Amino acid sequence: EPEVTQTPSHQVTQMGQEVILRCVPISNHLYFYWYRQILGQKVEFLVSFYNNEISEKSEIFDDQFSVERPDGSNFTLKIRSTKLEDSAMYFCASSEGVQGNQPQHFGDGTRLSIL
Amino acid sequence: EDQVTQSPEALRLQEGESSSLNCSYTVSGLRGLFWYRQDPGKGPEFLFTLYSAGEEKEKERLKATLTKKESFLHITAPKPEDSATYLCAGLTAGTYKYIFGTGTRLKVLA
Repeated sequence: EPEVTQTPSHQVTQMGQEVILRCVPISNHLYFYWYRQILGQKVEFLVSFYNNEISEKSEIFDDQFSVERPDGSNFTLKIRSTKLEDSAMYFCASSEGVQGNQPQHFGDGTRLSIL
Repeated sequence: EDQVTQSPEALRLQEGESSSLNCSYTVSGLRGLFWYRQDPGKGPEFLFTLYSAGEEKEKERLKATLTKKESFLHITAPKPEDSATYLCAGLTAGTYKYIFGTGTRLKVLA
């Protein structure tokens, strides 16, 4: 069964450094998403991306964050100048569409640890 | 404000002991109510989508139902391999984002 793959599984970075999280969505999907889950808290929406542009973003997704689809398969989340509070699990998801019968499918996440 | 609340936070069952998990939502213009299973260290795995009150979906020992205010995930005769965190999420009209609940951690004892 097709799946969303994320790399790396774990990233350790010094505070203030830049980090790029990578995702390969399911191949026929058109919509891409990033969510994060701080330990013990809810999964929170960050951003959605369609047709090479951001379609929606949350208040969490400030100028520190950016997303890109550099080629036909990868979808990346860049965090500039990381902070301690950026430590979380980051999930990539993709969907065929945005109707209720087109659910989002998630990868296994990247655990980001900021030291 | 759109919100999804799940209860209980944690549930321990003996193998074969049926029970239900609750997801209450206040989501404007609900376009879908989704159930996911999440194993430790893994991403959410899609289980069901429900669209309208009265709808039911089934998969093996799981059955999801939807009313105008809440959804239930019924687990019939659970097995230890059903142990996981079950997440509920709502999708509102005019948006792309899922609003997740905090989940129910289910432990099924052999």
